[in-house]
Amino acid sequence: DAGVTQSPTHLIKTRGQQVTLRCSPKSGHDTVSWYQQALGQGPQFIFQYYEEEERQRGNFPDRFSGHQFPNYSSELNVNALLLGDSALYLCASSILRRVTEAFFGQGTRLTVV
Amino acid sequence: AQKVTQAQTEISVVEKEDVTLDCVYETRDTTYYLFWYKQPPSGELVFLIRRNSFDEQNEISGRYSWNFQKSTSSFNFTITASQVVDSAVYFCALFFGNEKLTFGTGTRLTIIP
Repeated sequence: DAGVTQSPTHLIKTRGQQVTLRCSPKSGHDTVSWYQQALGQGPQFIFQYYEEEERQRGNFPDRFSGHQFPNYSSELNVNALLLGDSALYLCASSILRRVTEAFFGQGTRLTVV
Repeated sequence: AQKVTQAQTEISVVEKEDVTLDCVYETRDTTYYLFWYKQPPSGELVFLIRRNSFDEQNEISGRYSWNFQKSTSSFNFTITASQVVDSAVYFCALFFGNEKLTFGTGTRLTIIP
């Protein structure tokens, strides 16, 4: 049984560009949450998707958007990249009513130059 | 406001020593969960332990144990007989009704052979 998989593992983008990160949840999970982890910091909640809708959102600008597909996989999009967007982006999957049992992927390390 | 504080930024101990990682949390909720995660250099967050706010019983699981004290809002984590493979960044996290995890800034643990 595959766990949570994220792609790509590493990415380098130029300031002002747009990026899309992908997450496939663990089998049987229907909820995907995204976190941003800046260097030397703890992960910060970006948003959560369930039934293809954004259920809740953290304190991130509208440049950060997402999508969930019918197969529960999810994408995180960031527009107009800033140097400060450089971070490890983590995806966590869970069953909605059991969010305390979330599993994390290995993350996508985004570098903005 | 909900907040998790890990005052220890870095800890180094010699292999086989015991080590305790401190965590202090703030929340107004009466129902919440506390977690410890391990983050090795690969980046994935590995779940270690979870405790709900109604269960202050402290337990031991293998080389791991935890001390949950609501009176002091602390949730400390101890590794007994540390091993080099324990070297990682450890995060304490708080989960409550809005269904997102709030993480501390992490403690980098280095086990010296």
